[in-house]
Amino acid sequence: KAGVTQTPRYLIKTRGQQVTLSCSPISGHRSVSWYQQTPGQGLQFLFEYFSETQRNKGNFPGRFSGRQFSNSRSEMNVSTLELGDSALYLCASSPGIGGIIEKLLFGSGTQLSVL
Amino acid sequence: QQQVKQSPQSLIVQKGGISIINCAYENTAFDYFPWYQQFPGKGPALLIAIRPDVSEKKEGRFTISFNKSAKQFSLHIMDSQPGDSATYFCAASDEGGGNKLTFGTGTQLKVEL
Repeated sequence: KAGVTQTPRYLIKTRGQQVTLSCSPISGHRSVSWYQQTPGQGLQFLFEYFSETQRNKGNFPGRFSGRQFSNSRSEMNVSTLELGDSALYLCASSPGIGGIIEKLLFGSGTQLSVL
Repeated sequence: QQQVKQSPQSLIVQKGGISIINCAYENTAFDYFPWYQQFPGKGPALLIAIRPDVSEKKEGRFTISFNKSAKQFSLHIMDSQPGDSATYFCAASDEGGGNKLTFGTGTQLKVEL
């Protein structure tokens, strides 16, 4: 069974640009969450999508947005990139209902570097 | 506001020894406390988790001890092995939070031969 797949694996962007990251959840999983991991701030929750609707949101500026498609695949977008957005962006999926958080599985992440 | 405090930041243990990592939380609404293990270049992987209705949970060499009144929980790794060398994160969530986990700052564990 394939795990959570994130693409691309590495990304280099320049300040002011925008970026889109992609996440394919485990087959049958309907919930996708996004986390940002940095050495300074650790792991922080960005948002969660379930059945194409945002179900929960962390404390990040509006430059960070996401969406989920009908096949449960998700994308997150960061506009007007800042140096501080350099981070490992992790996607996690779960069934979405019934003991969801115990079944949360993470992908290997997309390492974003902003120059 | 950091809601889950983790210590120590780093830990060196001899092979066969016991590794102990501690976490403390503030939010009394938290009702799920997992520990994640992360290797370089990989995402976090669930190691073991506990809910507040029990004070201890053991899975193989890994044990969570939970103290609800003190709002603290800890991970014990018995018979630590070099393959356990990784970064460990405690986390917490509440029932209404969906898949929102609040993570501790992480502990880098190194098990020496």
